[in-house]
Amino acid sequence: AQSVSQHNHHVILSEAASLELGCNYSYGGTVNLFWYVQYPGQHLQLLLKYFSGDPLVKGIKGFEAEFIKSKFSFNLRKPSVQWSDTAEYFCAVNERGFKTIFGAGTRLFVKA
Amino acid sequence: GAGVSQSPRYKVAKRGQDVALRCDPISGHVSLFWYQQALGQGPEFLTYFQNEAQLDKSGLPSDRFFAERPEGSVSTLKIQRTQQEDSAVYLCASSPQPGHGKIFGPGTRLTVT
Repeated sequence: AQSVSQHNHHVILSEAASLELGCNYSYGGTVNLFWYVQYPGQHLQLLLKYFSGDPLVKGIKGFEAEFIKSKFSFNLRKPSVQWSDTAEYFCAVNERGFKTIFGAGTRLFVKA
Repeated sequence: GAGVSQSPRYKVAKRGQDVALRCDPISGHVSLFWYQQALGQGPEFLTYFQNEAQLDKSGLPSDRFFAERPEGSVSTLKIQRTQQEDSAVYLCASSPQPGHGKIFGPGTRLTVT
């Protein structure tokens, strides 16, 4: 069955540190890839998505993610985090259809 | 409306009670999804509608769970004879087409006592 693995459940960083959150998926076919974010007290919102083309995609708030097909990975990065990036981040995959599978999430805490 | 809305936002039910959770998707969005999110977990797929047709209900955990979207807009997720393991946040999401990024609602937090 298709699955999504997020390597870190909790990450603590200081402001201005660089961020990389790992995501690997198990499906070998053509996929759409997503990162969603949930800020404290808010609902899930789309951060960025990859459908095709340039494997480096840029999203809101300075986030980017790189699709590496050979590694089945879609890691999320940000060069310099801010306190306001404190949130839970979910990687998600769908098989070019409707059923999207989510990872378990990574809680990021940024110290001011 | 501007976003996906869900009601109620919080629901406490005694074990054995039936509950109904409502979702109002973004107007015009063809696809509607229900997810269940347990504490500390990512959202788990429950069911999917394209317009009024329920195309996949493979994620519904038991026959106590039932969802409908009779006119292709508002959807209701019903849980009969609730059990403690049903306690979770139930998320509704919609998208203009299947496979695209979803717009999530705020969720309904169900607590079964």
